[in-house]
Amino acid sequence: QSALTQPASVSGSPGQSITISCTGTSSDVGSYNLVSWYQQHPGKAPKLMIYEGSKRPSGVSNRFSGSKSGNTASLTISGLQAEDEADYYCCSYAGSSTLFGGGTKLTVL
Amino acid sequence: EVQLVESGGGLVKPGGSLRLSCAASGFTFSSYSMNWVRQAPGKGLEWVSSISSSSSYIYYADSVKGRFTISRDNAKNSLYLQMNSLRAEDTAVYYCARVEMLDYWGQGTLVTVSS
Repeated sequence: QSALTQPASVSGSPGQSITISCTGTSSDVGSYNLVSWYQQHPGKAPKLMIYEGSKRPSGVSNRFSGSKSGNTASLTISGLQAEDEADYYCCSYAGSSTLFGGGTKLTVL
Repeated sequence: EVQLVESGGGLVKPGGSLRLSCAASGFTFSSYSMNWVRQAPGKGLEWVSSISSSSSYIYYADSVKGRFTISRDNAKNSLYLQMNSLRAEDTAVYYCARVEMLDYWGQGTLVTVSS
């Protein structure tokens, strides 16, 4: 049950686009189309942003998009806004367990 | 509106026990699998355990297997986590979350294991 691998931090200026990667293995990310992404602001509960790799829940901005290639999933945020500054976590179903990435801190410059 | 409200957290000594509860409302609780996820202070998210809608399938993270027990009472719309043999490294905010995609989360309850 090893964690998924995410960059510790990314940054971008308002209006720019950024991408956060999430690398797993053929036993988790690579085997299931069940990667999700969560946004967490300080002191708050995580919020689902992307599920099943690329689907957006109702109410989530279309500036957020997800994709997957092999054992790596990605979250792209376009048109960065100040309120996007937060921690982002990827998550993958892995059969009898669920794995999270270590989290990525997004700084909007 | 889907609501999940955790309770039962607090300060406990190493080796002690605690039972967390999660009260669900705004959806048909008995139709959904549920999860517990924790977050140590200043750290990332860690999945702890999951239970299917009818309690037929139950899974645990290796870090809690044999010490924690997940259960649910569909008649009371409630999810539970019995935590025994607690260790300092179990100190965290514990969240309950709905279904495999963790689409809704509670606000969390803090568990502190310290002497």
